[in-house]
Amino acid sequence: QQQVKQSPQSLIVQKGGISIINCAYENTAFDYFPWYQQFPGKGPALLIAIRPDVSEKKEGRFTISFNKSAKQFSLHIMDSQPGDSATYFCAATHFGNEKLTFGTGTRLTIIP
Amino acid sequence: NAGVMQNPRHLVRRRGQEARLRCSPMKGHSHVYWYRQLPEEGLKFMVYLQKENIIDESGMPKERFSAEFPKEGPSILRIQQVVRGDSAAYFCASSPPGTGLSHEQYFGPGTRLTVT
Repeated sequence: QQQVKQSPQSLIVQKGGISIINCAYENTAFDYFPWYQQFPGKGPALLIAIRPDVSEKKEGRFTISFNKSAKQFSLHIMDSQPGDSATYFCAATHFGNEKLTFGTGTRLTIIP
Repeated sequence: NAGVMQNPRHLVRRRGQEARLRCSPMKGHSHVYWYRQLPEEGLKFMVYLQKENIIDESGMPKERFSAEFPKEGPSILRIQQVVRGDSAAYFCASSPPGTGLSHEQYFGPGTRLTVT
C-alpha cells in the first residue's frame, strides 16, 4: 500500500524554467512533509519541508505548495539550473510515528 | 559539524555470508533510522532506534535482519545469510532529540550492498 504517490517519474525542463513535482498522500494523520534531493551515489539531502498549518513555504528558488483538502503538495523550482538535475523525493510523516514514508522519486534533468 | 557517517560505502558479500553496516549519527543526535533503497525506487523505512532501544522495527524483514544502537559506538544493521534480493543501498538517518525536531532526518551517504 503506497501512501505517498509522486509524479511525474521523470521530468525535463529547460534552464531558467520552472520545475514542478507533485505528491498526493492518503493518511490524514500526516503532519510533516519534507522534500529530499538526491544526486547519484549520494544520500538524500533535506531540501525544504512544510507543515499543514501553512499553504506555502518558500526558501530561495524552492517553494512547497500545500493543499490540505486535496491531500496534495508540490515542489516548485524556479529558474531551474543544470545543478538542480537530481532525483527528488517527497515524503511524509506524523507526530508519534517518526518513520518517513517516501514517494517513488522524480528524476529531474535541466537542459541548457 | 560532521554529518551522518556510514561505513563501509560499498560492501560485496557472497550468498550466505553476513553483512554488517555501521552508522554514526550527527553529533547531538540520539535518534537513528535505517532505510533501504532498491534500484530506481524510493526509500523504504526499516527500523527506528534510540540509544539501547528499538522504537519501531515495523519495516524490518522478520528473519535475518537485526539492528542495534548501543550506548557507546555506532548503530549496526546486521543481515545474516544474505541473498541476492538483499542487494540495495542502505541509508542511515539521524535526528535530534525533542518533540517535533525528530522529523528532521539527515541522511548519510549510504552503504551499497552487492550480493554475488
